Amino acid sequence: EAGVAQSPRYKIIEKRQSVAFWCNPISGHATLYWYQQILGQGPKLLIQFQNNGVVDDSQLPKDRFSAERLKGVDSTLKIQPAKLEDSAVYLCASSLRGTVNEQFFGPGTRLTVL
Amino acid sequence: GIQVEQSPPDLILQEGANSTLRCNFSDSVNNLQWFHQNPWGQLINLFYIPSGTKQNGRLSATTVATERYSLLYISSSQTTDSGVYFCAVEASGTYKYIFGTGTRLKVLA
Repeated sequence: EAGVAQSPRYKIIEKRQSVAFWCNPISGHATLYWYQQILGQGPKLLIQFQNNGVVDDSQLPKDRFSAERLKGVDSTLKIQPAKLEDSAVYLCASSLRGTVNEQFFGPGTRLTVL
Repeated sequence: GIQVEQSPPDLILQEGANSTLRCNFSDSVNNLQWFHQNPWGQLINLFYIPSGTKQNGRLSATTVATERYSLLYISSSQTTDSGVYFCAVEASGTYKYIFGTGTRLKVLA
C-alpha cells in the first residue's frame, strides 16, 4: 500500500513570494491533516479536512495561508506572501477517521524563506 | 486545551542500554500515538495505543488513560534508535491530535 506522498521535498523562496505544497493521502483515507513543524518543536496542526470539508482550521493564519482538498482526495497548501517565520517543515498526514483514528505521515516539505 | 508534556527532554544512552520515555496529558483522550522522527525528519508510527500495553520487538508501550500518562520502553538500544520521540493525543470531544514536546534520544556506539 502506498504511503502519503508530498511534493516538493525542498523549497527555497524569498520573503513575500508565494509557494504551494501538494499532498496525496493514503487511498481511502477520509481525513487529511496539514501540520507545521518549526525546528526544535513538535508538529502543530494547521488545518484538518474530513473528505473535502474543513473540520478545524483554528491555527491556520488565514491572512496568508490557504488550503483546499480537491474532490476529497489530493490537497494543496498555499502561502502568499511568505514571511521569514514561515520557514519550517510542512507535514501532511491522513487517517481513516473511524473508531481507530491512526495518522500516517508523509515525508514533509522543508521550506526556507530568505 | 489539553496539555501534553514529555520527559525527559533529552536522553543520551550507550548502545545496549534500556530507557523509558514518559508522556503526561492533562485531560481524557480518545486516541494516542507514539512516533519516532528520524534524522531525515520522517515521522514513523511506533504505536497506536489509547489504552493498554503493546509490544513490537525491542519496543513496548503502555497507556494508563485513567491516570493520564503513557510510557514508551526501549530495550537494548541501538544507534538507529537515535532521533526524537513524540507522543500525540486526541482529546475526548475533539477531532484533532496535539503533539507533545518530544524527547530527543541519542544512542552512542
